[in-house]
Amino acid sequence: EVQLVESGGGLVKPGGSLRLSCAASGFTVSNAWMTWVRQAPGKGLEWVGRIKSNTDGGTIDFAAPVRGRFTISRHDSSNTLFLQMDSLITEDTGVYYCVGKDSWGQGTLVTVSS
Amino acid sequence: QAVVTQEPSLTVSPGGTVTLTCGSSTGAVTSGHYPSWFQQKPGQAPRSLVYGTNNKYSWTPARFSGSLLGGKAALTLSGAQPEDEADYYCLVSDGGGRVFGGGTTLTVL
Repeated sequence: EVQLVESGGGLVKPGGSLRLSCAASGFTVSNAWMTWVRQAPGKGLEWVGRIKSNTDGGTIDFAAPVRGRFTISRHDSSNTLFLQMDSLITEDTGVYYCVGKDSWGQGTLVTVSS
Repeated sequence: QAVVTQEPSLTVSPGGTVTLTCGSSTGAVTSGHYPSWFQQKPGQAPRSLVYGTNNKYSWTPARFSGSLLGGKAALTLSGAQPEDEADYYCLVSDGGGRVFGGGTTLTVL
């Protein structure tokens, strides 16, 4: 059974950094296309970024609002996906979901506020 | 970046049929945009429903179907059930990334 568990959310000041984790089970993260999606309070879903599988080159793409500030990485031995978020702004506030193998995690809340 | 548009809200009667659509500011949505559909109920994480225009998952109820209609991606619900009341989002490819539509709130009433 595929399971994704996000962690690392919290309150951070504008300009700060945060690293989100997504622990996967039931499949191998490096063999899957993994995506981060966020949802601002009361708003719709927003595609944040994606890393392709190793066999597909491991290419990473980001949405324009986060490009240059966010990075995605994987830790193969722990089967975990990461989202490093730097230079955070208030508009980055929301629930961040990890998506892989067509399954969604439960999300982790990031609040950017002074 | 493309702007992807969906009906903000739709209402369907129990047992009725409704079609949700997904259009793009860059032109017609085609199978090459790999349209996907997701369902989100209040307080829950989204759930994947349809991928690659019209492919369902093992957990997707048979009453949902995806298609292309008049230059848009479409999600048709035939025989609506009360538990289908939710927000529905489409997702399409755009350059190297993907873009969600604004979502449709479906009411079963």
